[in-house]
Amino acid sequence: DAGITQSPRHKVTETGTPVTLRCHQTENHRYMYWYRQDPGHGLRLIHYSYGVKDTDKGEVSDGYSVSRSKTEDFLLTLESATSSQTSVYFCAISESGGGRSYNEQFFGPGTRLTVL
Amino acid sequence: GNSVTQMEGPVTLSEEAFLTINCTYTATGYPSLFWYVQYPGEGLQLLLKATKADDKGSNKGFEATYRKETTSFHLEKGSVQVSDSAVYFCALTLSGGYNKLIFGAGTRLAVHP
Repeated sequence: DAGITQSPRHKVTETGTPVTLRCHQTENHRYMYWYRQDPGHGLRLIHYSYGVKDTDKGEVSDGYSVSRSKTEDFLLTLESATSSQTSVYFCAISESGGGRSYNEQFFGPGTRLTVL
Repeated sequence: GNSVTQMEGPVTLSEEAFLTINCTYTATGYPSLFWYVQYPGEGLQLLLKATKADDKGSNKGFEATYRKETTSFHLEKGSVQVSDSAVYFCALTLSGGYNKLIFGAGTRLAVHP
């Protein structure tokens, strides 16, 4: 199994509080991604990173920010959590991201976040 | 825009039945296509892939063929087992797109003895 951990695995918080989720990898992969999983939507990309300090927005980035100061860590921050951000959050990594050659994404175990 | 549509679930089958989960896509350019599987309480795992038209991906008895003419990538298995019960996601990436995955909504499969 790819070495990806997410912390915390479960979190309950209140509306308006800041929340940071952490993704840590031991594979030295260049690309990292944050997705959220919601019923009826599958997984949707929030933000992604293509190198240290290089990040970009995904499909559903509003209300989220990210940071990547080291290859192994990718942080997702909800500055002021809302109930609509209640979801399961998955981190993924990939060795390479471009061209027609396929590179598998490996997924972490997920973080279940509940915003009351 | 780019999107993936897969059949709604849940799909309920008896053990040893034939499985088909339909997946169609809309994409600009030439996507690569994937099936991921999510077992209860776990993250996603790649099940199979196809990177160009007419390619057939296969793994663990599952197969899917990249059909460009019908923009489809249907998942099939000849004889399902209880252990195949999971949620299955069809997904695509576009070349030059940082390998970002676009997922379908997922199809839950329940296999009964």
